[in-house]
Amino acid sequence: EPEVTQTPSHQVTQMGQEVILRCVPISNHLYFYWYRQILGQKVEFLVSFYNNEISEKSEIFDDQFSVERPDGSNFTLKIRSTKLEDSAMYFCASSGLAGTGELFFGEGSRLTVL
Amino acid sequence: GDSVTQMEGPVTLSEEAFLTINCTYTATGYPSLFWYVQYPGEGLQLLLKATKADDKGSNKGFEATYRKETTSFHLEKGSVQVSDSAVYFCALMLWGYQKVTFGTGTKLQVIP
Repeated sequence: EPEVTQTPSHQVTQMGQEVILRCVPISNHLYFYWYRQILGQKVEFLVSFYNNEISEKSEIFDDQFSVERPDGSNFTLKIRSTKLEDSAMYFCASSGLAGTGELFFGEGSRLTVL
Repeated sequence: GDSVTQMEGPVTLSEEAFLTINCTYTATGYPSLFWYVQYPGEGLQLLLKATKADDKGSNKGFEATYRKETTSFHLEKGSVQVSDSAVYFCALMLWGYQKVTFGTGTKLQVIP
């Protein structure tokens, strides 16, 4: 069964360092998302991406964040200068159909900022 | 803004007990409603959905009815199993948008 895969599963980094989280969405999907969940809190929407551009983004998704689909298969989230409060589980998701809410999630990448 | 509120967990039940996990929503438009489930070590996966008032979503013995008058979408199952132990997320999406808004999740533990 097709699945969304994320790497790394866990990354530890120092405050101020750049981090790239990688995702391989399901191959025929067209809509891509990043969410995050700080421990014990809500799963928060960060950004959605379609047709090689951002379609929606939240207030959390400020200038330190960026997304890219560099090669037609990977979908990456870059955090330029990590802060302590960026420590969270980051989930990638993809969807084949617009407007259905039927998202397929990866297992998540846990980011720990020290 | 649009939001979803779920009952806090964890919820601990004995096998074959009846399950209810409450969910209410606030939305500026007319949302579709969802329940997602996350089993240990896995990503979230869609459990069921309802797109309009009075619709009932169902899957794997779970049900939820879209109640517009009470802005609720409570999850129910008549007889839970140990294998249902997971975290359950209520969610909404407004028509015309891509963003799915999630609640905090409710952890369910079913003991034999």
